[in-house]
Amino acid sequence: EAGVAQSPRYKIIEKRQSVAFWCNPISGHATLYWYQQILGQGPKLLIQFQNNGVVDDSQLPKDRFSAERLKGVDSTLKIQPAKLEDSAVYLCASLTDRAYEQYFGPGTRLTVT
Amino acid sequence: QQPVQSPQAVILREGEDAVINCSSSKALYSVHWYRQKHGEAPVFLMILLKGGEQKGHDKISASFNEKKQQSSLYLTASQLSYSGTYFCGTVSISSGSARQLTFGSGTQLTVLP
Repeated sequence: EAGVAQSPRYKIIEKRQSVAFWCNPISGHATLYWYQQILGQGPKLLIQFQNNGVVDDSQLPKDRFSAERLKGVDSTLKIQPAKLEDSAVYLCASLTDRAYEQYFGPGTRLTVT
Repeated sequence: QQPVQSPQAVILREGEDAVINCSSSKALYSVHWYRQKHGEAPVFLMILLKGGEQKGHDKISASFNEKKQQSSLYLTASQLSYSGTYFCGTVSISSGSARQLTFGSGTQLTVLP
């Protein structure tokens, strides 16, 4: 089966600019996560979706970050405006209702200058 | 609060053994182990559930001490392919979701020929 797809793979922007990331989870996976992974650290959960509903967005900086999952499939994560400290890899992961294993996409490496 | 992993880094020769530890201050429902190679997505290794048995996968096994809220990952007769950063992810009993992980900061394992 196809894995979790993410695009773009790399993005360089200047601070105060906007950026959007896209994720296509594995077909049939109802749960979708967005993580932020800063260099040298473990993934940090930003938001969790169940189908097209938000389960938890308590760690999402809502003044600048937003995410949506229309129709319960693809998802987009947006940052507006970006700050230098947003430089990180943004990982998308998905899993089914019948298991605990999260499948991660390749990530988007964001550099804010 | 994220789990604490130790050691932060370990270097060993092919064929040697290694142990990676993960400790939490919260009562845990489950511990998940992932491996991430440089520039790649994290890959699931195994899950240990509260009340479950010790798990094993080829020459990689893990244990979960529920009383101490600790888990250990054992790598036996290390191979070059074992190199990477190992993350534990925990689900606390007080968490609202059994599928929401809090990751540790990782242990970088380097296997030399």
